[in-house]
Amino acid sequence: GAGVSQSPRYKVAKRGQDVALRCDPISGHVSLFWYQQALGQGPEFLTYFQNEAQLDKSGLPSDRFFAERPEGSVSTLKIQRTQQEDSAVYLCASSLFVGTNYGYTFGSGTRLTVV
Amino acid sequence: GQQVMQIPQYQHVQEGEDFTTYCNSSTTLSNIQWYKQRPGGHPVFLIQLVKSGEVKKQKRLTFQFGEAKKNSSLHITATQTTDVGTYFCADLTGANNLFFGTGTRLTVIP
Repeated sequence: GAGVSQSPRYKVAKRGQDVALRCDPISGHVSLFWYQQALGQGPEFLTYFQNEAQLDKSGLPSDRFFAERPEGSVSTLKIQRTQQEDSAVYLCASSLFVGTNYGYTFGSGTRLTVV
Repeated sequence: GQQVMQIPQYQHVQEGEDFTTYCNSSTTLSNIQWYKQRPGGHPVFLIQLVKSGEVKKQKRLTFQFGEAKKNSSLHITATQTTDVGTYFCADLTGANNLFFGTGTRLTVIP
């Protein structure tokens, strides 16, 4: 596609519910990143994939967070037993090359509200 | 851990005035990228700076990388209402992780 696509755009989850957030990167982009952005804050790094390999997951806040990219294209971020503090916008970004000079292209994000 | 601070946190300017945001780090930055995020939008890549002392211009925007690679700045000349948004600097590390600064939210008063 023309850009990075994320779905759903909005998600309301009851506390304790599991959620799955999807990211469709730009076709052919090698690198894929997940960020969490709380209201009024900058994006916080969660995890990074190069093709299907998850090279860094140091930003995942707890073992309730899990990300995968099994075929090196679409990625899913799963949050188990959601808590109120998980409420945020989850941004996905992709780039064509590793260490690109062209920046990362971000999707519009999924706004997760845990009630 | 990685800490990239930006000042000011908020800036209100009259349309036509200049605006500057500063990005400071306690550690040496690898490569600096700048992003703009409109209200309700997502970050959009503006530019990357790599070399110590580097200066790049994009129309009314001037980006600088400090000599010691511990700071960077973005200057906008003669702001317009379309410049409204939050400007983030971000450190692109050798491991290809992108760590964002705290951001400066710019409001332009017509």
